[in-house]
Amino acid sequence: GQNIDQPTEMTATEGAIVQINCTYQTSGFNGLFWYQQHAGEAPTFLSYNVLDGLEEKGRFSSFLSRSKGYSYLLLKELQMKDSASYLCAASDSNYQLIWGAGTKLIIKP
Amino acid sequence: GAVVSQHPSWVICKSGTSVKIECRSLDFQATTMFWYRQFPKQSLMLMATSNEGSKATYEQGVEKDKFLINHASLTLSTLTVTSAHPEDSSFYICSARDSSDYEQYFGPGTRLTVT
Repeated sequence: GQNIDQPTEMTATEGAIVQINCTYQTSGFNGLFWYQQHAGEAPTFLSYNVLDGLEEKGRFSSFLSRSKGYSYLLLKELQMKDSASYLCAASDSNYQLIWGAGTKLIIKP
Repeated sequence: GAVVSQHPSWVICKSGTSVKIECRSLDFQATTMFWYRQFPKQSLMLMATSNEGSKATYEQGVEKDKFLINHASLTLSTLTVTSAHPEDSSFYICSARDSSDYEQYFGPGTRLTVT
């Protein structure tokens, strides 16, 4: 079957670094997405990885290992506004997104 | 670019009535549109996938006669919740993708409350 696993909740301190992990099993694979979702709002796109390695975009970076079915989202210099849910989604052979349940990130001052 | 709008942003309706939600791609042609439902503190649940000009493909457990989806043009898809019940109260989100892009662009969502 198809499955995405990510932690339910994480807590970090303002100014610190946090890594949110995601493992996936899909029928075929066409890339791994990370989305940010604030409460009561729709998801917003953060990153897309289809090749192994690290993609850096400002304070956010995303890593993919296709052989391990593993990705992580790295957030640096955490700000209070980064408090949100972070959704991992894998694109399967039909380009359908298989969604994880989301990781709620709580930032403390 | 790649903006998707939804209307209305929120709606309250009485049990037994029908509600139509519109999803528009404003600056690109959306060959495929997706409809999601999200209950509080839960992840997105894909309801159906629609390709322009053809019937929508519904996910298992989603009643096609209750959730009517129409994707009549490359910029507009509609979701009609028929005979709404309080358990249909949820956050409904659409997303759209064009044929040349891997990314889904999300609308802002519609919060439906059925009383």
